[in-house]
Amino acid sequence: DQQVKQNSPSLSVQEGRISILNCDYTNSMFDYFLWYKKYPAEGPTFLISISSIKDKNEDGRFTVFLNKSAKHLSLHIVPSQPGDSAVYFCAASGVGTSYGKLTFGQGTILTVHP
Amino acid sequence: DAGITQSPRHKVTETGTPVTLRCHQTENHRYMYWYRQDPGHGLRLIHYSYGVKDTDKGEVSDGYSVSRSKTEDFLLTLESATSSQTSVYFCAITSALGGVGELFFGEGSRLTVL
Repeated sequence: DQQVKQNSPSLSVQEGRISILNCDYTNSMFDYFLWYKKYPAEGPTFLISISSIKDKNEDGRFTVFLNKSAKHLSLHIVPSQPGDSAVYFCAASGVGTSYGKLTFGQGTILTVHP
Repeated sequence: DAGITQSPRHKVTETGTPVTLRCHQTENHRYMYWYRQDPGHGLRLIHYSYGVKDTDKGEVSDGYSVSRSKTEDFLLTLESATSSQTSVYFCAITSALGGVGELFFGEGSRLTVL
């Protein structure tokens, strides 16, 4: 049973436009959400996170939005750059769980065309 | 570069043989994790450690064991490898200044079980 779902396997956008990656979760005990980016043959790298007490967190070109009632989060990248082409994973951490015990989504492959 | 290295980076083995993957960190972090990445599943937690000789199971621990005799080393062992354990394995530690879930991953170990 997939508790964190990324229903879009891939997304293609033009350089300079907005990329919106979506993630849904089912477990209401999740209270912290993260996005990771992964290039081929490398490990995932942390991108941005949000606590369940917030609905938005921004870091440069990256903004994460959280809609708790809908159990939905999204990552906005503006403007998108070719170097953003990677696999993006959303992840969630539950109340009282160990520091790095994360539940990941399946990933979305983002391709940004020049 | 956070000091985390995995070995071997690539391995091909046959069904029924034992395999040990090694994760070595130079950051003196207490928490270490083993995840596996598979298409359609994202990353899933296998085992984790919260100190020397202190380990616990993750979501997909069947068929795997771990050991941590020193702070810097976390070993993942497949006692008798099966084809379903063909995967990319990532070791992770918590980031020094990071918050919940902000893991730093190694570059991965690709294991093929024939």
